[in-house]
Amino acid sequence: EPEVTQTPSHQVTQMGQEVILRCVPISNHLYFYWYRQILGQKVEFLVSFYNNEISEKSEIFDDQFSVERPDGSNFTLKIRSTKLEDSAMYFCASSEQGYNQPQHFGDGTRLSIL
Amino acid sequence: DQQVKQNSPSLSVQEGRISILNCDYTNSMFDYFLWYKKYPAEGPTFLISISSIKDKNEDGRFTVFLNKSAKHLSLHIVPSQPGDSAVYFCAASSTDSWGKFQFGAGTQVVVTP
Repeated sequence: EPEVTQTPSHQVTQMGQEVILRCVPISNHLYFYWYRQILGQKVEFLVSFYNNEISEKSEIFDDQFSVERPDGSNFTLKIRSTKLEDSAMYFCASSEQGYNQPQHFGDGTRLSIL
Repeated sequence: DQQVKQNSPSLSVQEGRISILNCDYTNSMFDYFLWYKKYPAEGPTFLISISSIKDKNEDGRFTVFLNKSAKHLSLHIVPSQPGDSAVYFCAASSTDSWGKFQFGAGTQVVVTP
């Protein structure tokens, strides 16, 4: 069964550094998402992406964050000037359509900011 | 922003019995609902969905019920199996939100022999 893959599984970064989290969505999916889950808290929506544009973003997704689909298969989340509170699990997801469709999640990247 | 609530953080059920998980929402614009299962160190796995035009959807051992007037949905797992032990999340979205799902806090289910 096709799946969403995320790399790396664990990323440790010094505060203030930039980090790029990578995702390969399911190949025939057109809509891509990033969510995060801070330890002990809910899964939170960050951003949705379609046709090389951001469709929707949450209040969390400020200028520190950016997303890109640099080629036909990868979908990346860049976090600039990382802060301690950026430590979380970051999940990538994809879906065939943008609404009324289940999103399929990767296993996440654990980001630890020191 | 507590638009989706799962008020039971945990549930213990005997193998073979029914598991009932509950979820409440406050946003009347939500029209599509999902249940996910999550094992440790893995991402959420899609289980079952329901749109607001239905009040029930069934897939094997899993049935989701939607009560729009009460803004309440539930997931029934019958019969419960040891492999069902996991955290279960409900999630909701509206058609105009471009796939932005709001998640509940999750319910940890433990199925005992």
